[in-house]
Amino acid sequence: AQKITQTQPGMFVQEKEAVTLDCTYDTSDPSYGLFWYKQPSSGEMIFLIYQGSYDQQNATEGRYSLNFQKARKSANLVISASQLGDSAMYFCAMREGGPHAGKSTFGDGTTLTVKP
Amino acid sequence: GAVVSQHPSWVICKSGTSVKIECRSLDFQATTMFWYRQFPKQSLMLMATSNEGSKATYEQGVEKDKFLINHASLTLSTLTVTSAHPEDSSFYICSAASPGGETQYFGPGTRLLVL
Repeated sequence: AQKITQTQPGMFVQEKEAVTLDCTYDTSDPSYGLFWYKQPSSGEMIFLIYQGSYDQQNATEGRYSLNFQKARKSANLVISASQLGDSAMYFCAMREGGPHAGKSTFGDGTTLTVKP
Repeated sequence: GAVVSQHPSWVICKSGTSVKIECRSLDFQATTMFWYRQFPKQSLMLMATSNEGSKATYEQGVEKDKFLINHASLTLSTLTVTSAHPEDSSFYICSAASPGGETQYFGPGTRLLVL
């Protein structure tokens, strides 16, 4: 079974509107971390936001927020007030175990296109 | 934030030659670095985990004799693609675990084209 599932290969959003990118995960480890990365056409992976499995509140970083629903095993990324520069591929990732556990597993990604 | 560099950013080589890619953490010490491979429009595939001072841990299906990894210092890991073939053409990305281990900082990637 896939550990990280991103069901939206592509998404479109109008500039200045909010958009939600879906991510579900599968793990039996009580300690894990969830991440979102942005990859523009240049190829560089840009870290956006992190949510720990024991964090009580949803993570927020500027226009990015993570809608963490632990019981549903979902970690959706919400981008508010979309900008043209947000057009990129977005990856959800999970690290099982504590912070020093090491490697992460990535989803297949969602290509977001922001329309003017 | 933390900076990770990769060199070269792109390389074209002939089939049969070896190519070395460097990954450096510029402003922090990275005990652990990761090497990924990414094909166009696809996800990142972890190739190996590189730990300073010890042998790399390779993922299933990755040939350790073909993809040599050396992590000689806390700021440098290298990936050498030995006897490269056209099917090795890909985008290779390294990352360094943050000092607290919470996240990874990625390098800008290296595009390899083997003719």
